[in-house]
Amino acid sequence: DAKTTQPPSMDCAEGRAANLPCNHSTISGNEYVYWYRQIHSQGPQYIIHGLKNNETNEMASLIITEDRKSSTLILPHATLRDTAVYYCIVRVSLDSSYKLIFGSGTRLLVRP
Amino acid sequence: EPEVTQTPSHQVTQMGQEVILRCVPISNHLYFYWYRQILGQKVEFLVSFYNNEISEKSEIFDDQFSVERPDGSNFTLKIRSTKLEDSAMYFCASNQDRSSYEQYFGPGTRLTVT
Repeated sequence: DAKTTQPPSMDCAEGRAANLPCNHSTISGNEYVYWYRQIHSQGPQYIIHGLKNNETNEMASLIITEDRKSSTLILPHATLRDTAVYYCIVRVSLDSSYKLIFGSGTRLLVRP
Repeated sequence: EPEVTQTPSHQVTQMGQEVILRCVPISNHLYFYWYRQILGQKVEFLVSFYNNEISEKSEIFDDQFSVERPDGSNFTLKIRSTKLEDSAMYFCASNQDRSSYEQYFGPGTRLTVT
């Protein structure tokens, strides 16, 4: 299964953009990149996903490099409530469904 | 907004005992999963379940583990004879169909084996 590598921790100031990098150099052509976050020990929460193109939704933007070996999650205006562990994930297709392969995550601290 | 629920939120059991963790996936979802997270570690896939059978299981999911959908709403994870190393958060997740992009996770059950 493809692995992801993330920095263990980052911080940013409230109101500024948070840019979280991820390496997934062994990703296969049909495997999606997903981002989830986990606040305290709550269940992981979906943020965004992409295959090749950059994606944006109401929570974040996802920038995927052309060779698909890395990506960056961008929280455009971080708030204190965005303090969480952010997981870069490869979605692996199964015969009848899919599974999420979590990395170690980046602990993001948003400073007041 | 519909959500995945799990009970109990915390289960304490003695080594060697059987435990059943319960989940109620979102009502129109067809694909179900269990993941676990040992304290301080990453979330790990355990098993996926569709059409009343296991689609895939990880190396962690050995003969001590089993899953069941006993009725139209519950999805359970049973550990037959718990070990100390089974202590972890167990998350249930579900998605509607094979192409749906979001797996919805429940709040988790913290299992403590003493």
